[in-house]
Amino acid sequence: GEDVEQSLFLSVREGDSSVINCTYTDSSSTYLYWYKQEPGAGLQLLTYIFSNMDMKQDQRLTVLLNKKDKHLSLRIADTQTGDSAIYFCADYGQNFVFGPGTRLSVLP
Amino acid sequence: GAVVSQHPSWVICKSGTSVKIECRSLDFQATTMFWYRQFPKQSLMLMATSNEGSKATYEQGVEKDKFLINHASLTLSTLTVTSAHPEDSSFYICSARDSQGLAREQYFGPGTRLTVT
Repeated sequence: GEDVEQSLFLSVREGDSSVINCTYTDSSSTYLYWYKQEPGAGLQLLTYIFSNMDMKQDQRLTVLLNKKDKHLSLRIADTQTGDSAIYFCADYGQNFVFGPGTRLSVLP
Repeated sequence: GAVVSQHPSWVICKSGTSVKIECRSLDFQATTMFWYRQFPKQSLMLMATSNEGSKATYEQGVEKDKFLINHASLTLSTLTVTSAHPEDSSFYICSARDSQGLAREQYFGPGTRLTVT
């Protein structure tokens, strides 16, 4: 089946930029998503990118997509303690396939 | 915006009992809803796709007789965990696809935490 991979942990200092990486295998992916999950809560859609785009920027969030390498990244500028959460990459081909999640810890 | 609710948000039950979880689309109609399961510190795994008025489609390895899904209206799908056991303890999340929207637009509920003692 299709697969989505992410690094499991990332620690950054408050004010620095965070970059969370994701790779996927589905060649038919039409959209790629980033979701945020805080402890004990459901999923919050952060942003998504259409597969024919290279970049999308939304305030502090920048998504980069390298379709050739099937690589997606999420950059969070000026990371704050409130950004500490698990970030899931997901691709949508026929259904959603989620990565394992990257746990972002923001250190004061 | 599109809102999906789940009820209850958390439930504790004894082993051997059944538990029903509701998923509702509050401001849109959803002919298709999805049920996911999330184990601690793990990702979401699709359990089944629920279609209004028809039988659910279960993913490989998911027991349909254990996880009963009913999608009787355009705004409500229910997941019943029958004869629950401690290994069924998990975080269950539903999502709903807007019937009037694009297939890629799914809205997720806040999740239901099930603990079986």
